[in-house]
Amino acid sequence: NAGVTQTPKFQVLKTGQSMTLQCAQDMNHEYMSWYRQDPGMGLRLIHYSVGAGITDQGEVPNGYNVSRSTTEDFPLRLLSAAPSQTSVYFCASRPRQGAYNEQFFGPGTRLTVL
Amino acid sequence: GQQLNQSPQSMFIQEGEDVSMNCTSSSIFNTWLWYKQDPGEGPVLLIALYKAGELTSNGRLTAQFGITRKDSFLNISASIPSDVGIYFCAAMNYGGSQGNLIFGKGTKLSVKP
Repeated sequence: NAGVTQTPKFQVLKTGQSMTLQCAQDMNHEYMSWYRQDPGMGLRLIHYSVGAGITDQGEVPNGYNVSRSTTEDFPLRLLSAAPSQTSVYFCASRPRQGAYNEQFFGPGTRLTVL
Repeated sequence: GQQLNQSPQSMFIQEGEDVSMNCTSSSIFNTWLWYKQDPGEGPVLLIALYKAGELTSNGRLTAQFGITRKDSFLNISASIPSDVGIYFCAAMNYGGSQGNLIFGKGTKLSVKP
């Protein structure tokens, strides 16, 4: 098992550019989430999915889109990057609701928007 | 919205000392979790607490789910250099939002050998 993988590890964008952060898991987990982490802050939920074809907004969804066409993949799209989106992005997955002892985080994508 | 107040913000301790950190909220939660994050890595779950009053240990770590369901603490006994990192509390309840986590701002732990 590779667990939760994220690509790229680092990315620099210019304001207005678009990009997709990739997240994949090979554990057949139903629940997947995207968080952002800013300096001195805890993680904040951006979007989440409870299964293929189902997504919903978290605490800070503005400026981000997601889709879940397969169980394995949960990409996060920035349509028009802004400096306020400079952050570290973490993807997480768990098998079902409440199974936090089986939740895993990816290694993160460090994004800088100039 | 719901917030978790985690303290202290940072700690500088000597190897071998015990560490205590806590998390409080004005909201009630059904689950409390404690994570550790090493530099450049994602958070790793240390302890999960599912019942008010529950006291759970994981090696040198002990955590408790407060009886009011509004707080939790984490203790680390006999600290060692590899305990260095950022510790986060997180909490959730099952009402309405698919049980998504709220995180505290973290406690940065530094251990002097």
